Amino acid sequence: EAGVTQFPSHSVIEKGQTVTLRCDPISGHDNLYWYRRVMGKEIKFLLHFVKESKQDESGMPNNRFLAERTGGTYSTLKVQPAELEDSGVYFCASSQGGGLDYGYTFGSGTRLTVV
Amino acid sequence: QQQVKQSPQSLIVQKGGISIINCAYENTAFDYFPWYQQFPGKGPALLIAIRPDVSEKKEGRFTISFNKSAKQFSLHIMDSQPGDSATYFCAAGLHRALTFGSGTRLQVQP
Repeated sequence: EAGVTQFPSHSVIEKGQTVTLRCDPISGHDNLYWYRRVMGKEIKFLLHFVKESKQDESGMPNNRFLAERTGGTYSTLKVQPAELEDSGVYFCASSQGGGLDYGYTFGSGTRLTVV
Repeated sequence: QQQVKQSPQSLIVQKGGISIINCAYENTAFDYFPWYQQFPGKGPALLIAIRPDVSEKKEGRFTISFNKSAKQFSLHIMDSQPGDSATYFCAAGLHRALTFGSGTRLQVQP
């Protein structure tokens, strides 16, 4: 079974530019999550999709971040315009069921550096 | 305000020793407490998890101890091996989201 795939693995962009991160969850996983780890600190929740619907986007830091999940399959996270404080590692995770007992499967992350 | 506090930040243990990582949480509504293991260049992987109605859970060399009244839980790695060297994150779950600790970098020396 293929795992959660994220790309790019690394991205370096200038302040003010736009970056789009992509996540392909495990096939059949309706639940998809975005998290990020900034500056070696804790991993923080951004948002949760069930299929194509946003269930919880309480962790999105501001309106420069836009997440979509086309047709309930892959998801994209766009940052526009990027700021220096957006640098960090962005993780995507998926789970088969909605309960936490199902456990998340995380991707390897996208390391975003804004210069 | 950090809702899940994890310590220590880094830990060095000799092969065969016991590694202990501690976490404390604030929100009593949390009802799921997992530990994740992360190797460099990889995403966090679920190691072991516990619900608050259980005080201890053991899986192989890994044990979670949970103290509901103190709002604390810990991970014990028995007979630590160099292959256990990784970053460990505790987390607390509510509904479908996890709140993570800041991570502990464990190094097991041969």
